[in-house]
Amino acid sequence: GAVVSQHPSWVICKSGTSVKIECRSLDFQATTMFWYRQFPKQSLMLMATSNEGSKATYEQGVEKDKFLINHASLTLSTLTVTSAHPEDSSFYICSACPTSGGASEQFFGPGTRLTVL
Amino acid sequence: GENVEQHPSTLSVQEGDSAVIKCTYSDSASNYFPWYKQELGKGPQLIIDIRSNVGEKKDQRIAVTLNKTAKHFSLHITETQPEDSAVYFCAASTSYGKLTFGQGTILTVHP
Repeated sequence: GAVVSQHPSWVICKSGTSVKIECRSLDFQATTMFWYRQFPKQSLMLMATSNEGSKATYEQGVEKDKFLINHASLTLSTLTVTSAHPEDSSFYICSACPTSGGASEQFFGPGTRLTVL
Repeated sequence: GENVEQHPSTLSVQEGDSAVIKCTYSDSASNYFPWYKQELGKGPQLIIDIRSNVGEKKDQRIAVTLNKTAKHFSLHITETQPEDSAVYFCAASTSYGKLTFGQGTILTVHP
């Protein structure tokens, strides 16, 4: 149980294009999902907290107009990187908190490798 | 906000030895402390967690200890195996749910 999927697993795009990444909780409902970014050999940095049916809460320094988050259902959150640039190349990971579980327990997706040329 | 420090950054052990990774946190309101294992190119996998009302938790070869007074917690892996080689992250969270991660420890278990 507690499986989180991400799609795509990797994507290569040209500079200036937009890329959408999906995060799904497969066997549980998640009121809250989180989006992280991880650069090579570094830790996970929280980008934003996504709550179903409401606007996402972004961490300091994360551009909300560049990283659009939509959490339209209890099993799906999407992250859209708009006008991507090479510096946006990174490993993007989502996590989901089961609605029925503890407030802190998070299950992570497998990540999406974004490369912007 | 919360700050989590993790040590060591790299750890090399022989198969069968024990490995210990330590973390300290700054926010006394933190009450949930998970440990994640991350293999190359994959997302983090929860391996064990502990809540602030417990001092120790064990699951087969893996154990976690928590000292709330000193604000530190540790991961103990006994009888290490080559497949334990990975990057390990500690994290701390309050009831709100936001996780703050440590810097990570690269564990290498030599056969």
